Amino acid sequence: GEDVEQSLFLSVREGDSSVINCTYTDSSSTYLYWYKQEPGAGLQLLTYIFSNMDMKQDQRLTVLLNKKDKHLSLRIADTQTGDSAIYFCAERGSGNTGKLIFGQGTTLQVKP
Amino acid sequence: SQTIHQWPATLVQPVGSPLSLECTVEGTSNPNLYWYRQAAGRGLQLLFYSVGIGQISSEVPQNLSASRPQDRQFILSSKKLLLSDSGFYLCAWSLRRGLAGWSSYNEQFFGPGTRLTVL
Repeated sequence: GEDVEQSLFLSVREGDSSVINCTYTDSSSTYLYWYKQEPGAGLQLLTYIFSNMDMKQDQRLTVLLNKKDKHLSLRIADTQTGDSAIYFCAERGSGNTGKLIFGQGTTLQVKP
Repeated sequence: SQTIHQWPATLVQPVGSPLSLECTVEGTSNPNLYWYRQAAGRGLQLLFYSVGIGQISSEVPQNLSASRPQDRQFILSSKKLLLSDSGFYLCAWSLRRGLAGWSSYNEQFFGPGTRLTVL
């Protein structure tokens, strides 16, 4: 079945790079996503990558996709305190319903 | 522009009481609608999704039910709450495939959430 796994916690110093990792099981996933959740709020889409791409860069964000190993990562360059949040990896489920399968979320703590 | 509303923002209910959480979307038509639950220390679990009025699919067996009485209204209910129903409930919407503005990556837009505590 479909399953998405993430490490639960990452702590970095302000100005360092953060790398959040994710593994998924559904090899037929067409899109993979990174969502950000700030405390007590809903989720916002940060970035996404199509399954035939290896890398996508968007300002401070770099997404790497290893489709063979079903591994996705999100790198945040020059991490700021405002980046402290929970980051969710998600894969698109099968069919046309737009269902997403989410990981457990990685809490990123940025220390000044 | 589209907006999604959820209420109430927070709720404290005794075990065995009923529940009704409401989600409404503005600025779009025929959206796909979703209910998720985020339990403490756990990830986001899809509970229900709907592709149209009266069409509800349940993802996990549970004490909850969902209804879609109108195109842009999605309701999460329970007749008798359990302690394990506590959590953060998120509603989301996405564009129906093929409608104006739909793009292949099909972003889901989330509401602000409802924090439910069952005592």
